[in-house]
Parts: sequence; structure tokens; C-alpha cells
Amino acid sequence: DAEITQSPRHKITETGRQVTLACHQTWNHNNMFWYRQDLGHGLRLIHYSYGVQDTNKGEVSDGYSVSRSNTEDLPLTLESAASSQTSVYFCASSEGGVAEETQYFGPGTRLLVL
Amino acid sequence: LAKTTQPISMDSYEGQEVNITCSHNNIATNDYITWYQQFPSQGPRFIIQGYKTKVTNEVASLFIPADRKSSTLSLPRVSLSDTAVYYCLVGEVGTGRRALTFGSGTRLQVQP
Repeated sequence: DAEITQSPRHKITETGRQVTLACHQTWNHNNMFWYRQDLGHGLRLIHYSYGVQDTNKGEVSDGYSVSRSNTEDLPLTLESAASSQTSVYFCASSEGGVAEETQYFGPGTRLLVL
Repeated sequence: LAKTTQPISMDSYEGQEVNITCSHNNIATNDYITWYQQFPSQGPRFIIQGYKTKVTNEVASLFIPADRKSSTLSLPRVSLSDTAVYYCLVGEVGTGRRALTFGSGTRLQVQP
């Protein structure tokens, strides 16, 4: 069955380190998204991509970067981790270009920055 | 992007019908209305989507008035397992060229 996976599921790192969170989908979806969710709050969009080599900034993109070299993967990099980036990170994908569109979410990655 | 406003929380009892209303006064002509459900420690999952009038599936109904400035998610006969956060999103689909924005959601607590 097609799916969307994230790795690692849990990560502890130190302030200033570079961290990369992986997201892989097997639906062959054009669109991929990264969100962060802080405790007790809704999801905020970090970056998104509408296809290979396309990336766009979301509402909270500072300190994060993404690259889209193939359809299946959209890794999220924290260039220099900060304690304020402690959060749960969700990756999502959608088909794109259809009349009714659903985003499918991964299980999330819990990141703790010490 | 169209901003949405929904109640922070709601309480209900098992077997009751729950209606959650979302306001989206600046919805654009090409925008669809989508509702997601999120359980603790899980990613959101799609419930229902609509453009106008009424949409029904096996899980819920979505009522959208003619002016489309609000929408109401209706959950018939809720159970304890419906306890979750519900998000209302407004965004352009069709072209697939516009990301959807999640608000803070409505936390539904269903009591026995």
C-alpha cells in the first residue's frame, strides 16, 4: 500500500547542530508539505513543494530549508538548531491538480533541542 | 490566504449530534472548504471537503450557505472515539497550486 513515512520518529539534538528530518511518500504525489505543531497548538506551514526542483516558504520558514530532487522525498533541514525549534514536525503530501484535494500526513517526528 | 475562525473547544455526550461552525469571511471564488481530524500524537486526517451547499459522506456532513462565508461540520451520534481536534481549512484546490493553512482547531471532548 502507498504510504508516507517520516524518520526519525524521535530526535534529541543540541543547540547549533544541523538536523535533517526525512519524509518519503510512495503515492507519486506532486505536492509535499512540512508543518510544525507546538504543544497545544495548530499546525504551521514551514515549507512546501509543488514538484521536483520547486520549493516555497511557508509562514514559519526562518531557520529551515528544503530541497526536492525527486518526487518521493522532501527532507527538512534545520541549519543550526535552536531551542525554539523543539516541536513535532509533520510531513504531508497531496496529488495536486485535481478538483478535490486531500493532504495525507505522516506520523510525525518529535524533535527536542537542548 | 483566507483566515478561518472556529471555537476553541466544545463538549458533548455520546450519541449526540455535534455541529462545529467555522467562519471564513474572505473566502475566494476558487477556494474549497476542507475539514481535518487529529488525534493525539497523530497527523491530521481528511474528513470532508466541499465548495457549496451540502456534502455528506460516511463520517460527516458539511453545510455551506450560499454566501460561503461560513461552514458547519456535523458529526451525527458522536462516540468517545470522536474526541479529537477538528480543523477547518480554506484554500484553493483544483490547480493544486496553493497550500492550505491550519488554524488552531476546535477541541471536541465527548463524554460518556
